[in-house]
Amino acid sequence: AIQMTQSPSSLSASVGDRVTITCRASQGIRNDLGWYQQKPGKAPKLLIYAAFSLQGGVPSRFSGSKSGTDFTLTISSLQPEDFATYYCLQDYSFPFTFGPGTKVDIK
Amino acid sequence: QVQLVESGGGVVQPGTSLRLSCAASGFSFSDFSMHWVRQAPGKGLEWVAVLSYDGSNKYYADSVKGRFTISRDSSRNMVYLQMNTLRHDDTAVYYCARDRGLQDYDGIQSWGQGILVTVSS
Repeated sequence: AIQMTQSPSSLSASVGDRVTITCRASQGIRNDLGWYQQKPGKAPKLLIYAAFSLQGGVPSRFSGSKSGTDFTLTISSLQPEDFATYYCLQDYSFPFTFGPGTKVDIK
Repeated sequence: QVQLVESGGGVVQPGTSLRLSCAASGFSFSDFSMHWVRQAPGKGLEWVAVLSYDGSNKYYADSVKGRFTISRDSSRNMVYLQMNTLRHDDTAVYYCARDRGLQDYDGIQSWGQGILVTVSS
């Protein structure tokens, strides 16, 4: 199975900060990666699919990029509603695998 | 819009069985693969299983292979997860989810609200 590592596991940031979260795949997965936001007690929400593409209705401050097997989620200017946990998911091969998550909280 | 509603959760003893159901609406059910994902209390997300749009292919996480079975009834727009020989570490919120791809596997786009399964003696 493809292993996904994610860093950092948590971070503290202020409103307006630029935030980056990275997932690394244990092997090449093309661009088959999505990013999800989850708030406490709620289902995850798709933000980015196919590594780079913004899901409809998601603010443009969210973006995805890739370098080799490293994938990055960037929030250009953190807003109060962005405090949540973020997960990546590789959908290149089964079993699909999630990263362990990054919790973003208020500094 | 896409709506996925899980049911069938509850408290069960180790070694017993439970069947989760997911009612789907708002999209062409027979054109999309369906997934189950779970989340143990205070833990991260774990992908559990997928069933292809036409019911011909199934894949499972190693942790549930041989114990869980995913199925679908396209006449009723329902997807199921039959869970046998339940263990304490199966305790989790279980999410029904729809794939993003049309007659393909393109990751998970839509999620239900989740249903809690507690395995406890």
